[in-house]
Amino acid sequence: QQQVKQSPQSLIVQKGGIPIINCAYENTAFDYFPWYQQFPGKGPALLIAIRPDVSEKKEGRFTISFNKSAKQFSLHIMDSQPGDSATYFCAASLHNTDKLIFGTGTRLQVFP
Amino acid sequence: EPEVTQTPSHQVTQMGQEVILRCVPISNHLYFYWYRQILGQKVEFLVSFYNNEISEKSEIFDDQFSVERPDGSNFTLKIRSTKLEDSAMYFCARNRGVQETQYFGPGTRLLVL
Repeated sequence: QQQVKQSPQSLIVQKGGIPIINCAYENTAFDYFPWYQQFPGKGPALLIAIRPDVSEKKEGRFTISFNKSAKQFSLHIMDSQPGDSATYFCAASLHNTDKLIFGTGTRLQVFP
Repeated sequence: EPEVTQTPSHQVTQMGQEVILRCVPISNHLYFYWYRQILGQKVEFLVSFYNNEISEKSEIFDDQFSVERPDGSNFTLKIRSTKLEDSAMYFCARNRGVQETQYFGPGTRLLVL
C-alpha cells in the first residue's frame, strides 16, 4: 500500500517528441505527488509537484496529469530536448509527513 | 535553488567499520532527511529529523544507524558497523517545512568492501 509503481523503466524519444511517464499508487492517504529529475552523479532535483485537488499542473514544458479516481498520475515533457535526458522519479507522501516514497525511476534518452 | 553540500563525496570502507556522512546546513531549513539509493534502484527514505529529534524512520534505519546535529552544526548520519549491503549513494535532503520542496545534496557514494 505504500508503494508507487512507475512505468516505463526506460524511454527513448527523438528531439521534439512528448515522452510520457506514468505512476500509480494504492494508498488514498497520499496527498502530495512530486516529480524529481536526476542526472548521473547528482542528487534528485524537484521538477514539478501536484496535490490531488487539481487534475493538471503545467510548469514550462513539464505537465503533470492527475487522475484521482484511477489513482494515477503522469508526467508529460513537451518539445523534449537532449538536455532532458535523465532519470525521472515520481514520488508520493502522506498528509503531514515528509517521507517521500519514490517510484522505481524512468531513464529517458532524447536523441537529436 | 538552495545548495545542499555533503561530505565526503566518496567513501570506501571495510566491512564492520564505522562511517560518518555529513550534510552542511542551510540556515532557514529546519527539516533534514537521509535517503539512500542502491546502484540502479529507487531512492529510499531512511529518516527525518526535526528539532534535534527523529520524527520518522524507515525499517531500513535499524540500530546500526544514527543521526545527529550536534550544536546546530553539520547534520550527520552514522553507520556503526557497515555491511556489504550498505553500499549505496546516501543523499541528505532538507526543507523549510512539511511538504515543502525537499532539496537534495549531491550524495556520498559509500562502498563497503
